[in-house]
Formats: sequence, C-alpha cells, structure tokens
Amino acid sequence: QKEVEQNSGPLSVPEGAIASLNCTYSDRGSQSFFWYRQYSGKSPELIMFIYSNGDKEDGRFTAQLNKASQYVSLLIRDSQPSDSATYLCAVIIIQGAQKLVFGQGTRLTINP
Amino acid sequence: GAVVSQHPSWVICKSGTSVKIECRSLDFQATTMFWYRQFPKQSLMLMATSNEGSKATYEQGVEKDKFLINHASLTLSTLTVTSAHPEDSSFYICSARGSGLGTETQYFGPGTRLLVL
Repeated sequence: QKEVEQNSGPLSVPEGAIASLNCTYSDRGSQSFFWYRQYSGKSPELIMFIYSNGDKEDGRFTAQLNKASQYVSLLIRDSQPSDSATYLCAVIIIQGAQKLVFGQGTRLTINP
Repeated sequence: GAVVSQHPSWVICKSGTSVKIECRSLDFQATTMFWYRQFPKQSLMLMATSNEGSKATYEQGVEKDKFLINHASLTLSTLTVTSAHPEDSSFYICSARGSGLGTETQYFGPGTRLLVL
C-alpha cells in the first residue's frame, strides 16, 4: 500500500464549478497534511496545510481532514482556468524518520 | 512568505561531468533542507534530508557518493551530481523548513532542470 494515494486523473471540471480532490494516507499516526499545486515545468507551491479534523477554508480553497478515515480532501470553489494544474497531497509520515511524503498528484483541468 | 531560490534554473552538461546546484533560503533560516527529484509525469521523490552542520540523511536507493550534499549554513545547501550520466537527467527541487514558519511547513525552490548529454 502506498503511503499517500491520489487519483492521478485527469479530472475535468467546468469553469465556475467545484473541483474536489481526494487523498488517502496509510500512517494512522500522521498529524500534518498539505496540499501543493504544481504547474507544468514548475516546482510545487503550498496552497494549504491542515492539522485538525474538520474543514479549513482559505479563499476559494477548503481543505477537509478526517483522521478516522485517513482521508484528506481539497475543494476549489468557483474554479478558474488558472486552477488547471497538478495538485499534490503531502503527509508527514511519523513512522521512522519524519518526512514529507507526496502522493502521485491529480491533474486538474478547468474547462472554460 | 518564505522564499527559496535555486541556481542554476537549468543546466546542460556532458556525461561524466559534475554539476553543482545551490539552494538558498532568502528570508528565513532553514534548519533543514530537502532535495527531491522528479521525473516526467511522476511525483516528487525525496533524495535526502540535510540539517545545517551535519551529514545528510539519504533515502534508500540514493547513492550518497554520487549525490553530494553540503548544508554549511542556515541559508545554503548544495547538491553536487558527480559524474553525471543521461539517466540523471531530471528536475531537481530543494525545499527548506525553518523555525518560526510553522515548524513542519516546507517551502520549495523553483527547481533545476538537468539534462545530461
């Protein structure tokens, strides 16, 4: 089982709709979760981090965490074409040396 | 926000040569820096973790004698790819983590694209 799993997509969403990105993780002890956005040919940029169960909102982005289900998601409201990118879920894995482990990323395309 | 720079942004070299990549934290002190490699259409793979003033910790399968990492100060880490070969061609990205920013948040540099001919 991979430590962090995402659906690779591609996920296509019409402009103005809500894009929903999902991620599951294997280390039940993990406490810190991150969403990064990566445009083609560029390095990742941090969108949000979340540590507590529930929702965390920042502008058009909402991160949701459910530790019991080992599930974290990212919602993008009012999707824009500029949101088209690969979204990487990352988790601090506690087992062994703490390190940030990335999922394979979900490629999101917003259609005008 | 926290800014991390990398230099060079891209490099083309001949097989057998060595290439040095610099990673700098510009507005914070990076107690820990990380080096990743990303092949096309794949996710980031952690190569090594370096703490200022100590030896780097390499991930399984990463040759420490081939990928030399130096973290001599709280704002600078370097990765040297020694005797580069075409299979080393990749996108190398560093990230930095420091105190006062949220202790676990990593900020990424813009990456260095390496092409070995």
